[in-house]
Amino acid sequence: DGGITQSPKYLFRKEGQNVTLSCEQNLNHDAMYWYRQDPGQGLRLIYYSQIVNDFQKGDIAEGYSVSREKKESFPLTVTSAQKNPTAFYLCASSSGGYRSYNEQFFGPGTRLTVL
Amino acid sequence: EDQVTQSPEALRLQEGESSSLNCSYTVSGLRGLFWYRQDPGKGPEFLFTLYSAGEEKEKERLKATLTKKESFLHITAPKPEDSATYLCAAGAGQNFVFGPGTRLSVLP
Repeated sequence: DGGITQSPKYLFRKEGQNVTLSCEQNLNHDAMYWYRQDPGQGLRLIYYSQIVNDFQKGDIAEGYSVSREKKESFPLTVTSAQKNPTAFYLCASSSGGYRSYNEQFFGPGTRLTVL
Repeated sequence: EDQVTQSPEALRLQEGESSSLNCSYTVSGLRGLFWYRQDPGKGPEFLFTLYSAGEEKEKERLKATLTKKESFLHITAPKPEDSATYLCAAGAGQNFVFGPGTRLSVLP
């Protein structure tokens, strides 16, 4: 089955630690995205990548970093510089690069909690 | 600034009671209007894409429509399994802006 997988489903972090969230897709999509979802708010874009070895900051990139070494993979690192990292993190992908007329497909999400 | 709002914030319906959810957008040059369904603790599931005013799309008990300023998601004779948060997003320029969602509860 084609789709997007995220791991882990739940992640707990102590203050001052960096953690990495995994995102893998087998849809052969060019573009991949990371969003953050907080209660009562719309999804907010953290980073996106249109092709391998290229990525762009979204609206709330501070305290996060990404890499895109393979087409299938787009891991997100939440660094200690992110002051309020507790949230639900969603990875998405779309075909044909980042185009605002292309629907995005989402993974199941990772819930990150800072202890 | 591109903006998407949704109303109501929450909606409770009896099974079989039809209603509509609203998505209003203020964007420069709409490229696409997208609807998603999200169950608690899960990622959004894609439902529809609408590209131009007057366009309609249907899937089971759901029908999405689009005007120049807003989109509606009509739910006909809903069932308890339709309970979820419904998100809309507007694609414009280089932006893909999500609304905060409408939380729908359908009671048996």
